[in-house]
Amino acid sequence: AQKITQTQPGMFVQEKEAVTLDCTYDTSDPSYGLFWYKQPSSGEMIFLIYQGSYDQQNATEGRYSLNFQKARKSANLVISASQLGDSAMYFCAMREGDAGGTSYGKLTFGQGTILTVHP
Amino acid sequence: DAGVTQSPTHLIKTRGQQVTLRCSPKSGHDTVSWYQQALGQGPQFIFQYYEEEERQRGNFPDRFSGHQFPNYSSELNVNALLLGDSALYLCASSFKVRLGEYFGPGTRLTVL
Repeated sequence: AQKITQTQPGMFVQEKEAVTLDCTYDTSDPSYGLFWYKQPSSGEMIFLIYQGSYDQQNATEGRYSLNFQKARKSANLVISASQLGDSAMYFCAMREGDAGGTSYGKLTFGQGTILTVHP
Repeated sequence: DAGVTQSPTHLIKTRGQQVTLRCSPKSGHDTVSWYQQALGQGPQFIFQYYEEEERQRGNFPDRFSGHQFPNYSSELNVNALLLGDSALYLCASSFKVRLGEYFGPGTRLTVL
């Protein structure tokens, strides 16, 4: 069964510094997709970044990058130049059977990491 | 371009009652998924609808049922409400996985 583990309940970072949020996953399916979402206190989940299991390069989206280490089954999110507005809950998620072009199947989420950015 | 919309925003029910939550997907999206998020937890997958059919279901009892309409909007119905059903219910729509699933603002259900 697929499983996502986020071991950091909370993280603190100074404004303008970089921060890494950890995520490890477990699956027996060679085809899968990994996602990071941001959930502000308002409750809406905001999609940040996606990495497919067959992708050769780490995904990047603006200030967000995904450090994908397939052999270690880790998919850490790196936020560069943190901003006060980055303070939120961050979730790592996985979808098995991801063919890189379909959206079939459930997302399995981790427990989340609360990020607090200090001025 | 409107994103995913959900109604109502908040809802208070008592044990044993039934509730219907509604979701309109983002324009151009044909797949709708529902998630339950308890306080302080990650969302849990309830089910996914595509072409008006339930395509996949999570580990939720039959009290949880759904429907998708021809215009891709969807409803989540919960019968015989329990205190443990109190949660934020999130609807997500999608078309291409690399674009991610777009989530609505959620419906906060409180069961007393």
